[in-house]
Amino acid sequence: NAGVTQTPKFQVLKTGQSMTLQCAQDMNHEYMSWYRQDPGMGLRLIHYSVGAGITDQGEVPNGYNVSRSTTEDFPLRLLSAAPSQTSVYFCASGWDRNTIYFGEGSWLTVV
Amino acid sequence: GQQVMQIPQYQHVQEGEDFTTYCNSSTTLSNIQWYKQRPGGHPVFLIQLVKSGEVKKQKRLTFQFGEAKKNSSLHITATQTTDVGTYFCAGPGGAQKLVFGQGTRLTINP
Repeated sequence: NAGVTQTPKFQVLKTGQSMTLQCAQDMNHEYMSWYRQDPGMGLRLIHYSVGAGITDQGEVPNGYNVSRSTTEDFPLRLLSAAPSQTSVYFCASGWDRNTIYFGEGSWLTVV
Repeated sequence: GQQVMQIPQYQHVQEGEDFTTYCNSSTTLSNIQWYKQRPGGHPVFLIQLVKSGEVKKQKRLTFQFGEAKKNSSLHITATQTTDVGTYFCAGPGGAQKLVFGQGTRLTINP
């Protein structure tokens, strides 16, 4: 099992550009989520999904979209990148929201 | 929304000293989880506590859940350099959300 796979690992964007961070898991987990991590801010929940076709907002959803067309995939879309979105992004999955397994992270810089 | 507060934010110890981090919630938690993140790495699940007053041990790590289920602690006995990292507690944040504390960053002087 590969676990939770995130791509790309590193990305530099210009302000206003859009992009998609990919997340895939091969553990047949129903629950998937996206967090961002900034220095001194811990991990903040962006969006989450409890199953295919179901998504909901977390603590900091503005500027991000998600979809869950399959159990395996949960992409995160940045609609119009801003410098404030410079962060490390983690995708996670689990059988429920409590015990979740993280991907290795995607380092995003917006200039 | 639900918040979990974690203290201290930073802790520096000499190798061999003990370390404790605390997690507090203003409301009762149905459960609490602990994660560890090594520098440059991703958070890794350590343990889940569910019962009031529960104590669980993993080698030199001892996890406690308070009687009122509003606080929790992680204690490491005789720290080693492999313990370096940030320790997070996480609890239910309403709906199906998992909310993380700010984390305690542990550094160790060998």
